Amino acid sequence: AQKVTQAQTEISVVEKEDVTLDCVYETRDTTYYLFWYKQPPSGELVFLIRRNSFDEQNEISGRYSWNFQKSTSSFNFTITASQVVDSAVYFCALSEERETSGSRLTFGEGTQLTVNP
Amino acid sequence: GAVVSQHPSRVICKSGTSVKIECRSLDFQATTMFWYRQFPKKSLMLMATSNEGSKATYEQGVEKDKFLINHASLTLSTLTVTSAHPEDSSFYICSATTFPGTRGSGTQYFGPGTRLLVL
Repeated sequence: AQKVTQAQTEISVVEKEDVTLDCVYETRDTTYYLFWYKQPPSGELVFLIRRNSFDEQNEISGRYSWNFQKSTSSFNFTITASQVVDSAVYFCALSEERETSGSRLTFGEGTQLTVNP
Repeated sequence: GAVVSQHPSRVICKSGTSVKIECRSLDFQATTMFWYRQFPKKSLMLMATSNEGSKATYEQGVEKDKFLINHASLTLSTLTVTSAHPEDSSFYICSATTFPGTRGSGTQYFGPGTRLLVL
């Protein structure tokens, strides 16, 4: 069975600090997809990134960066120079093998990030 | 692109009434829509998967007669909570994904959610 673990339940930082959110996953599939979503207090889940299991290149998008390491089954997310607007719950998720409609997502429990001014 | 809307955003109803929640993909055609339930400070729990024109697939433990799902078109899915009770109070979120092979396929895009309070 698939499983996603976000060991950090809550993280609190001061603005401008860098912060890394951890995500460890378990799957028997050889092809799979990993996602990060942000859920601000309003409740809407915002898609941040998708990575397939064959692409281990790290990705950077502005202040966000992702480190995918298949050897350790981890897909960590780093926010550089955090801002108050980054305060939200962040979910890591894993989907089944096929890149088709109907793929089910397995979510981690989420990490509540609070950035204090 | 990939915008999903939900209506209503918040609803309060009396116990025993039925509530319908709409989920629309605004700028893409969604072959599949998903319905989730989220309790405070908890993760998302998948309730059901619906494909356009066919019956929804419910997760184990979810009562299909209680939570009616209809996916009549490629842009609209509805969730009806029948004979709602206080324990049905929750945050309901839908997501949609597009055709295989199209841009963004395989990624679920989420609606803003509906907060249901049953008195």
